[in-house]
Amino acid sequence: KQEVTQIPAALSVPEGENLVLNCSFTDSAIYNLQWFRQDPGKGLTSLLLIQSSQREQTSGRLNASLDKSSGRSTLYIAASQPGDSATYLCAVRNSNSGYALNFGKGTSLLVTP
Amino acid sequence: GAGVSQTPSNKVTEKGKYVELRCDPISGHTALYWYRQSLGQGPEFLIYFQGTGAADDSGLPNDRFFAVRPEGSVSTLKIQRTERGDSAVYLCASSFATGGYNEQFFGPGTRLTVL
Repeated sequence: KQEVTQIPAALSVPEGENLVLNCSFTDSAIYNLQWFRQDPGKGLTSLLLIQSSQREQTSGRLNASLDKSSGRSTLYIAASQPGDSATYLCAVRNSNSGYALNFGKGTSLLVTP
Repeated sequence: GAGVSQTPSNKVTEKGKYVELRCDPISGHTALYWYRQSLGQGPEFLIYFQGTGAADDSGLPNDRFFAVRPEGSVSTLKIQRTERGDSAVYLCASSFATGGYNEQFFGPGTRLTVL
């Protein structure tokens, strides 16, 4: 069974800092990995999707990397802003067990002004 | 509509009652997914539809849970004889197809509270 772990569980940084969120998974046989943002009481907003054959994806101040063989992904946020405060979730889709996404518990990020 | 919509946004019910939760996927998306998110946890997969058929229902916790998608668009998640442990946010997602590349887009969720 795929286990997805996110570290740290919570993070507080001052505005302007660059930061890295970590995601690890136990089964490297994945189709893709998706990073989401979730604001309190809201649904999930897709940030980046990385195919298993890709090493990284970028969108604006966000950069996600994937090392499938070691079962790791990182989400890099540059020049953090208070509006980045949210919970960030990592999810993987296995290549051999259907279409479900397997989620981590998330990292709760607070960016202080 | 522009995104996935879910109704109601909140549902409060009493233990033992029956509830229905509705999901409207993004127009043209053939795949639809239901997940459940408990407080402090990541979403957990319940069921996936490709078109009208449930292609994978392995995440449904027991036979009190059932979902339909009769016309390949709107889906309804049905919960019979609700229990307090069913309280959670129920999330729906859709994707254009089910190939490896296809991104899942989520709705705002329905918060279910069973008293």
